[in-house]
Formats: sequence, structure tokens, C-alpha cells
Amino acid sequence: AQSVTQLDSQVPVFEEAPVELRCNYSSSVSVYLFWYVQYPNQGLQLLLKYLSGSTLVKGINGFEAEFNKSQTSFHLRKPSVHISDTAEYFCAVSPTGGKLIFGQGTELSVKP
Amino acid sequence: GAGVSQTPSNKVTEKGKYVELRCDPISGHTALYWYRQSLGQGPEFLIYFQGTGAADDSGLPNDRFFAVRPEGSVSTLKIQRTERGDSAVYLCASSSIVNSPLHFGNGTRLTVT
Repeated sequence: AQSVTQLDSQVPVFEEAPVELRCNYSSSVSVYLFWYVQYPNQGLQLLLKYLSGSTLVKGINGFEAEFNKSQTSFHLRKPSVHISDTAEYFCAVSPTGGKLIFGQGTELSVKP
Repeated sequence: GAGVSQTPSNKVTEKGKYVELRCDPISGHTALYWYRQSLGQGPEFLIYFQGTGAADDSGLPNDRFFAVRPEGSVSTLKIQRTERGDSAVYLCASSSIVNSPLHFGNGTRLTVT
């Protein structure tokens, strides 16, 4: 069965610093990969997705992620974070057939 | 257009009672998903519908949980004989086709006392 591991439960970072949120997945078949963001008291929003093609995927709010098949990773990066990026970030995998399987989440806390 | 709507936004019930949670997906979306999110955890898959039929209900924890989507639009998640461990935020999502990105509602926070 597929699973997703987000290696850091909390990531504190100062404003304007770069950040990487790590995600590894286990799957023996082709998958689609996603990052979702959940701002305080809001629903989940799609940040970016990898379906096929270029392994570097750009999303909203300056985030990007790189699909690495050999390492089964899909790490999320941003070169310079803002206070407004403070939120919970979820990595998710979907086998070619429907449901999303989510990781446990990483709480990004951006400090001034 | 309107997003995914979930009602009620909050529900408090006593242990042993029956509850229904409603999800109104984005118009035209054929796929509908239910997830459960406990505090500090990622969303846990429960069930998904393609049209009126449940395509995958492998995430339902036991037979106290049931979901329907009789006309291929609105869905209701039903929980019988609620237990304190059922307390969580129940999320609904819809998508235009299977494997397209999911659009989530704001969830129903269920508290079982």
C-alpha cells in the first residue's frame, strides 16, 4: 500500500530565509504527487501537482517541488519565505485510480 | 462559482447518538471524497464516489460509518452509535474527473461528548 512520510513535523524559519519541506513516498506503481496548504481556520488548498513531464513543478505563492523517482521524494521549496506562508503543509500521493493519501503534515512557522 | 460546501460547520453530539454530515460538491464534479482529520494529523481517506456509486470505501473504519450519494451530487456521511473517538474534522472534496486536483470544503468539526 502507498504511504507518505513527511520527515519534519515542525519547521521554524525566519522571514526571507529559504525553506525545504521534505516528503518521501512509498509506491511500486506510478503515482501522482501533490502538495496542499492549510492556513489557520481554512480548508486545504492545492499548492502544486506533479502528474508527468518535467520533474520540477512550480506552484502558487512562489513554491516549487522536485519529483525524484529514484529517491521517491517530492520535496517542497521556496527561496524566500514570508510571514504569510505560516501554515500546515501536506504532501499527498495518488495512485492512478483516485484517492489521495496524505502525509502527517509539516507546520511551517515563519518568524520576523 | 461556489466551492465545496459542508454543513453543519460544527456538530456536538452525545456518545451513542446518530449524526449526518452533508457535502455539496462543486457543480458538475463527478468525483466526491470524504476524509477525516484528527488534531495534528493529515487527512485520512474514508470513501470516494464516482457518480452515485462508491468506487472505494476501504477507508471506512467500521460498519457504524456509511455514506450515500443518491443523485450523484450531494453526499451524506452517516455515523451511527457515535463514540468519543469519532471526534474529528470531517472533510469533503470533489473533482471534475478522477485524478484531477481535489477541491476541499472547510469541513465539519464533530465533537462527541
